[in-house]
Amino acid sequence: RKEVEQDPGPFNVPEGATVAFNCTYSNSASQSFFWYRQDCRKEPKLLMSVYSSGNEDGRFTAQLNRASQYISLLIRDSKLSDSATYLCVVNLNTGGFKTIFGAGTRLFVKA
Amino acid sequence: EADIYQTPRYLVIGTGKKITLECSQTMGHDKMYWYQQDPGMELHLIHYSYGVNSTEKGDLSSESTVSRIRTEHFPLTLESARPSHTSQYLCASSTGLGTDTQYFGPGTRLTVL
Repeated sequence: RKEVEQDPGPFNVPEGATVAFNCTYSNSASQSFFWYRQDCRKEPKLLMSVYSSGNEDGRFTAQLNRASQYISLLIRDSKLSDSATYLCVVNLNTGGFKTIFGAGTRLFVKA
Repeated sequence: EADIYQTPRYLVIGTGKKITLECSQTMGHDKMYWYQQDPGMELHLIHYSYGVNSTEKGDLSSESTVSRIRTEHFPLTLESARPSHTSQYLCASSTGLGTDTQYFGPGTRLTVL
């Protein structure tokens, strides 16, 4: 079983739709959590950190559920430019930090 | 924007050649990483460094080597390139503190003929 698991998708949604991705992690030593965005043939870029209390950045909302060991990303009012792969990232603290990248969820937003 | 740079951005080279992929960051980050990623596939960590004179192998076995003589510089070398090395190579850095967020360079797309 992978330490960080995501539904690979693809999610195909129309412009204006709300879409949500979940990501589960298996290691209870996981300490910090992130969503990255990666466009085709580009480098991953930090979208947002995920805090225990949940956090929002414009149309994007991230939440963390430590009890069930998952994080989520909600995108409201989808834009064509939101089409990308979204990577769930977990930092473990097991004596030294270790970063685990999920395989990503592909999103296509169509007109 | 992250201040992390990679050169070259694209490289096409013949089998058996020695190559060095450059990565530099101006953020003073202690930790640096090399990832390998094939198109549409996940990232694989191949090397990382906690600081000067520190290098470790990552989760994916790689025939490449790295060095960390200066904080800002983390080059990756392939002594003898093969077609199986064709991939995208991404360099990243982080502070090693707090949430330890990683910032990526633009990548080097390597093709070995």
